[in-house]
Amino acid sequence: AQKITQTQPGMFVQEKEAVTLDCTYDTSDPSYGLFWYKQPSSGEMIFLIYQGSYDQQNATEGRYSLNFQKARKSANLVISASQLGDSAMYFCAMRYLGAGSYQLTFGKGTKLSVIP
Amino acid sequence: DTGVSQNPRHKITKRGQNVTFRCDPISEHNRLYWYRQTLGQGPEFLTYFQNEAQLEKSRLLSDRFSAERPKGSFSTLEIQRTEQGDSAMYLCASSPNGAGAGDTQYFGPGTRLTVL
Repeated sequence: AQKITQTQPGMFVQEKEAVTLDCTYDTSDPSYGLFWYKQPSSGEMIFLIYQGSYDQQNATEGRYSLNFQKARKSANLVISASQLGDSAMYFCAMRYLGAGSYQLTFGKGTKLSVIP
Repeated sequence: DTGVSQNPRHKITKRGQNVTFRCDPISEHNRLYWYRQTLGQGPEFLTYFQNEAQLEKSRLLSDRFSAERPKGSFSTLEIQRTEQGDSAMYLCASSPNGAGAGDTQYFGPGTRLTVL
């Protein structure tokens, strides 16, 4: 079974500063994908970034980067130069990349608040 | 390029009534997913379609829940004899078939169900 743990219920960051949101995972599958989603108060889950278990380099997408440490089973999200619009819930998720199962397993999320 | 759409956005019903939600995926996305999200939790997988075939169902999907995707395009999720415990956000997502980036799932805005 897969499990995602996000230990930070809430985080504060000053505008323009960088922030790291923690995510650890547990799986026995060798082939898996890790995802981060942003959920503003409106409710829609917005895809941010993806990392495959066999990817050699850490993923980056604009101001988002994923600090992937496979041996520690962690996939932390780093947001650089925080903006007020980054205030939202952030969810880490994973799924097995083999055939037959496509469900995402989510953590409980971290609420990020950006302070002006 | 339109995203995933869901209707209605909000639904209030009385216990014991039936409700039906609709999801229109991103056009040409073969895969469609339903998730449920309760307050303070991450989304939980309910079911998955590839084209019109329902290929995976969670134990959360009790006998009162049924989902269809009759022509491989839009999908409906029906809950019969609603209970107060069914109150949640119901999220729909879609993904292209076999694309890279872990077959990323793109979510709609959700339908928030309140059962009185």
